[in-house]
Amino acid sequence: NAGVMQNPRHLVRRRGQEARLRCSPMKGHSHVYWYRQLPEEGLKFMVYLQKENIIDESGMPKERFSAEFPKEGPSILRIQQVVRGDSAAYFCASTVTSGGADEQFFGPGTRLTVL
Amino acid sequence: AQSVAQPEDQVNVAEGNPLTVKCTYSVSGNPYLFWYVQYPNRGLQFLLKYITGDNLVKGSYGFEAEFNKSQTSFHLKKPSALVSDSALYFCAVRDTGNQFYFGTGTSLTVIP
Repeated sequence: NAGVMQNPRHLVRRRGQEARLRCSPMKGHSHVYWYRQLPEEGLKFMVYLQKENIIDESGMPKERFSAEFPKEGPSILRIQQVVRGDSAAYFCASTVTSGGADEQFFGPGTRLTVL
Repeated sequence: AQSVAQPEDQVNVAEGNPLTVKCTYSVSGNPYLFWYVQYPNRGLQFLLKYITGDNLVKGSYGFEAEFNKSQTSFHLKKPSALVSDSALYFCAVRDTGNQFYFGTGTSLTVIP
């Protein structure tokens, strides 16, 4: 059973370009979370999705950022018109259920560098 | 509001000595508490969790954590530290709304 997959592992973009980050949850998991980690900081929650639904996007900037988790395929975190401040590690995590005490399983992260 | 605090940014301990990484939480209702470890350039790995029952929870790699309801704490412990335990440790709490709240992390350095 493969773990949570994220790609690309490293992404370099110039200011103004778009960044698309992909996350495939563990098999059987239908709940996905996206986090951002800045150097010397902890994890900042961005968005929580189930298949075809955004459940909680309270941590995601309202402009330039969007996320989806289609019925088929990976979850996508999209950042339009990237700026240098978007440079960070972005982690995806998945869980089996929507409640209870299930722990999250994390992917290896995508490290975005904006030049 | 739910929150997690890790009061120490950095903990240094000599190899073979016991280690403690502190965590306090604030959550409405019964908490689900977690510890994760992050090695450089890697994702977070689950160590252990508290759901209910015994206040002392045992997890991976010899780690354990003690849930203290009166002090709202969930400190991570290990009786004898290894150099390979050096990493970043995160405490987290899950609320009934299914969101996870993470602390800012504690960098543990085990000195040979």
